[in-house]
Amino acid sequence: ETGVTQTPRHLVMGMTNKKSLKCEQHLGHNAMYWYKQSAKKPLELMFVYSLEERVENNSVPSRFSPECPNSSHLFLHLHTLQPEDSALYLCASSQEVISRQSRNGYTFGSGTRLTVV
Amino acid sequence: AQKITQTQPGMFVQEKEAVTLDCTYDTSDQSYGLFWYKQPSSGEMIFLIYQGSYDEQNATEGRYSLNFQKARKSANLVISASQLGDSAMYFCAMREDLIIQGAQKLVFGQGTRLTINP
Repeated sequence: ETGVTQTPRHLVMGMTNKKSLKCEQHLGHNAMYWYKQSAKKPLELMFVYSLEERVENNSVPSRFSPECPNSSHLFLHLHTLQPEDSALYLCASSQEVISRQSRNGYTFGSGTRLTVV
Repeated sequence: AQKITQTQPGMFVQEKEAVTLDCTYDTSDQSYGLFWYKQPSSGEMIFLIYQGSYDEQNATEGRYSLNFQKARKSANLVISASQLGDSAMYFCAMREDLIIQGAQKLVFGQGTRLTINP
């Protein structure tokens, strides 16, 4: 158990459904992240939140909608997805980093494996 | 933009042998950090080892060590005395940038799938 919990672990949804992915961290970290991991592609950063404020949005389609109600919880709301959105969605958190030399990287959750049918 | 290259899609090693996983990176910054993560089939990304660009010594964490060659921009992971449980995907990552309010952006390579044979 890393201290970052993602639910559900697996999700199958139709293209017209609306669902949400949940991430919760118990580490006291101030930043949270969503990454997408597709087969044979590097991890893609989707969204970054710091102190509950969205600080990065990497040109993600609007069918993905993040929400960070407090520093411990992060959601990814999904609607009208496409089959190519099937992937492993990883949540991560990190402590405040003020130096490029900091050894504090990400702590990841176990991911949600999403299948869009 | 920074870039991470892992040239070995797959590696097969006999149990108890040492294995080196390659990672090269591209950056014009002098100050940066490099990470290695392990991803078992369960999906969770597990932090293994960190190397800062100003660190004079190669990083070591138990059976993991990092062969850091700054001039060559390589940061290879060495696993000594491999075990069956080491079978997993391994990702090299670099801290690409610091974002406001203490957040950070890591960029990852495509990974190497390591299989340990009994």
